Amino acid sequence: GAVVSQHPSRVICKSGTSVKIECRSLDFQATTMFWYRQFPKQSLMLMATSNEGSKATYEQGVEKDKFLINHASLTLSTLTVTSAHPEDSSFYICSARDHRLAGINEQFFGPGTRLTVL
Amino acid sequence: AQKVTQAQTEISVVEKEDVTLDCVYETRDTTYYLFWYKQPPSGELVFLIRRNSFDEQNEISGRYSWNFQKSTSSFNFTITASQVVDSAVYFCALNQYNTDKLIFGTGTRLQVFP
Repeated sequence: GAVVSQHPSRVICKSGTSVKIECRSLDFQATTMFWYRQFPKQSLMLMATSNEGSKATYEQGVEKDKFLINHASLTLSTLTVTSAHPEDSSFYICSARDHRLAGINEQFFGPGTRLTVL
Repeated sequence: AQKVTQAQTEISVVEKEDVTLDCVYETRDTTYYLFWYKQPPSGELVFLIRRNSFDEQNEISGRYSWNFQKSTSSFNFTITASQVVDSAVYFCALNQYNTDKLIFGTGTRLQVFP
């Protein structure tokens, strides 16, 4: 149980285009999903916390207009990188909390999406 | 402020050696969780262990063991008889009980040579 998928696993796009990344909890309902960014050989940095049915909470320094997050259902959150530029190239990882495990604070991670902006 | 420090950037060992990965954390809270994750070259994070702040018992799982010392704010991870498949980046992380945020350390890259 507790499987999280991401799609696509890899994406290459031209500068100026928008890219959408999907994060799905496959066998549980996730009231909260998280989006992280990881640059090469660096740690995971939390970008935003996404709660189903409400606006995402962004970390300091993350542009909400550039990284649009939608959490329309208990099993799906999307991250759209708008007008992507080469500096947005990174590994994007989502995670989800199983709301049945209230208080446990464990996050289940997706396999990640590698974005390359040319 | 919460912080996780993994002072070892890279460690190289030869197969069958034991290796310990250090993790030191900072938090003002009395209730928190500590985690270790493995990130192989494929990129996917693999959950290894969760420990809450009230449970200081050391844990052993096969070749893996963890030493939690609240007095020194450390949560070290030891791999016994390392194998090539253990090669990965290992992250220690801290989570405050009443928040959802995970604070990751900078990771330790472990290379196990045959």
